[in-house]
Amino acid sequence: EDKVVQSPLSLVVHEGDTVTLNCSYEVTNFRSLLWYKQEKKAPTFLFMLTSSGIEKKSGRLSSILDKKELFSILNITATQTGDSAVYLCTTAPIREQGGKLIFGQGTELSVKP
Amino acid sequence: SQTIHQWPATLVQPVGSPLSLECTVEGTSNPNLYWYRQAAGRGLQLLFYSVGIGQISSEVPQNLSASRPQDRQFILSSKKLLLSDSGFYLCAWSVPSDTGELFFGEGSRLTVL
Repeated sequence: EDKVVQSPLSLVVHEGDTVTLNCSYEVTNFRSLLWYKQEKKAPTFLFMLTSSGIEKKSGRLSSILDKKELFSILNITATQTGDSAVYLCTTAPIREQGGKLIFGQGTELSVKP
Repeated sequence: SQTIHQWPATLVQPVGSPLSLECTVEGTSNPNLYWYRQAAGRGLQLLFYSVGIGQISSEVPQNLSASRPQDRQFILSSKKLLLSDSGFYLCAWSVPSDTGELFFGEGSRLTVL
């Protein structure tokens, strides 16, 4: 059975700290891994990773994929209170599989002032 | 540009009553469409996905059903709601030929009393 596992499930840090969120996966017909941030309602897209070892970066956030060890990490440096959210990891299959995305449980990040 | 509309945003229903949540996408054709449920603000559970009109795949046995009467319309229904149907429901779409990025609606919070 396909699965995506995120860790930790929750995390409390103080502003300025650096955090690393983990996502491991066991899925058939893997095409890409995506990270989303969800603050209150609709998740918003952060990164999509398809190749191993290539870091994607956006401001203080960065992410990398390891297709050999089947995991990805999301790093947030110099955290701010606005980074508080649930971070979701998901994998997308090759298109012939109908686009069924499998989500992890999410990591709830709380950044204290 | 593409947009996704989902309604109603909030719904309080008694046990045994019917349900209809609707989702429409604008600005694209033949999208993959999805219904997810999220419990306690955590990971998303895929309920249904559709790759075309009238084509519905169900991921978990449940009290709910989905229909796609038009290319860009996706409806989540129930004939008789259960207490366990309470939750946050998200509609999403993706481009079939793309790398899997999902675009989410704003969500519908259902409370069954």
